[in-house]
Amino acid sequence: QVKLLQSGAALVKPGASVKMSCKASGYTFTDYWVSWVKQSHGKSLEWIGEIYPNSGATNFNEKFKGKATLTVDKSTSTAYMELSRLTSEDSAIYYCTRFRDWGQGTLVTVSS
Amino acid sequence: DVVLTQTPVSLLISLGGQASISCRSSQSLVHSNGNTYLHWYLQKPGQSPQLLIYQVSNRFSGIPDRFSGSGSGTDFTLKISRVEPEDLGVYYCLQRTHNPWTFGGGTKLELK
Repeated sequence: QVKLLQSGAALVKPGASVKMSCKASGYTFTDYWVSWVKQSHGKSLEWIGEIYPNSGATNFNEKFKGKATLTVDKSTSTAYMELSRLTSEDSAIYYCTRFRDWGQGTLVTVSS
Repeated sequence: DVVLTQTPVSLLISLGGQASISCRSSQSLVHSNGNTYLHWYLQKPGQSPQLLIYQVSNRFSGIPDRFSGSGSGTDFTLKISRVEPEDLGVYYCLQRTHNPWTFGGGTKLELK
C-alpha cells in the first residue's frame, strides 16, 4: 500500500525559511516523479514543481522558481521541499503527490 | 499557462440524482504522443485530493462506475450518477499535457 507521510504543521516568521518532508513507502521511490502542490486557504490547487528521485532532476512552475527548492534522500525514500523568504502569501497547505497518491498535507503558517 | 475553467462553481444535487461538471481548457490537451492528460479529482472536506478519473475517461482503482469522464481536445465532462453522501466535496480537473501542470478552479458538490 502506497503511503506518502508528510511532516507536521509549521509556524514560521516572515522572511524565514521552512523545510518539509514527505516519506514514501509501498513503491520503488526512485522510479516515480514526486510533485509538490500548494493549496491556499479555501482556494484551488497550484503545482509547484517535481523531482525525479533517481537522478535528482527537477521541473518547476516558473512562478515558484527561487521560492521552492526540491531535494530527496534516496536512503530514506524521503522527498523534501524548502520554501525561502516566506511571506503571508506562502501560508497554505502543501501536498506531496505522485498524482495517483497524495500525502496528508503540511500546513505552513507565516506569522510574526 | 493552460487555463482550465470549471463550471458550475457549485452544484446542489439531491441524493440519487445526477451531476455534471465541465472543464474547458484554453488550449488543446492532446499531447504530441497522442494521449490526453486530463484527470479528475475529488477533495472531500478536510482531506487530500483523491484521483477519480485519469486520461479523460479511465476510472482509477476502486472508483465506482457511477463516475464517468468524457471529452476531447479542450472540452471535458465528469458525470456522477446516483449521487451518494460520500460524493460531496470539491471536484478538480488537472491537465498534465502542458508544463506547468494546472488545475481547474474547482466545483463544489453539495446536497440539496
